[in-house]
Amino acid sequence: GENVEQHPSTLSVQEGDSAVIKCTYSDSASNYFPWYKQELGKRPQLIIDIRSNVGEKKDQRIAVTLNKTAKHFSLHITETQPEDSAVYFCVLGIQGAQKLVFGQGTRLTINP
Amino acid sequence: NAGVTQTPKFRILKIGQSMTLQCTQDMNHNYMYWYRQDPGMGLKLIYYSVGAGITDKGEVPNGYNVSRSTTEDFPLRLELAAPSQTSVYFCASTPTGEGEQYFGPGTRLTVT
Repeated sequence: GENVEQHPSTLSVQEGDSAVIKCTYSDSASNYFPWYKQELGKRPQLIIDIRSNVGEKKDQRIAVTLNKTAKHFSLHITETQPEDSAVYFCVLGIQGAQKLVFGQGTRLTINP
Repeated sequence: NAGVTQTPKFRILKIGQSMTLQCTQDMNHNYMYWYRQDPGMGLKLIYYSVGAGITDKGEVPNGYNVSRSTTEDFPLRLELAAPSQTSVYFCASTPTGEGEQYFGPGTRLTVT
């Protein structure tokens, strides 16, 4: 079935530095690539998404890039802050984005 | 709007018992989903529904059943609970099957 691989599984950065999380996928028909953030004990929440007709999208300190030919997409967080500490999931939208396939998550820790 | 609500928040079951996890949304969303999240892992889709009276299997449907008699409610039934079903269960909804999925707060289930 459809699969998405996410790296790294844990990431620790100094406050103010940048963090990058990368994902690769196998389903060439996928056209929707969201990222969800899950704080400890909370529900997942969408932070940014990108569709296949766009190569990059930015929202303040968060950006996502997509290379559909190489089948990988990445999340970039700049000027990290303590509230960025959470688990981040890259997600693949399949069947016209009706169904989501989650990566295994990256636990991001921001060190003060 | 309350959004997506789930009950109960926590539950401990003995092996072989049955229970129903409740999910309700007041946003008039057509699409609803059930996921499970095992410790340190991403979310896996159990079942989903594209509207009242229509349900379909996700990635991990074995041991579960669902029904969708109304737009608002999407209960998940566990029959003959097994330790492998110990997990956190999230319900989610979205209006059109694309874009952001709105998650409930989750139900933490332990089967002993």
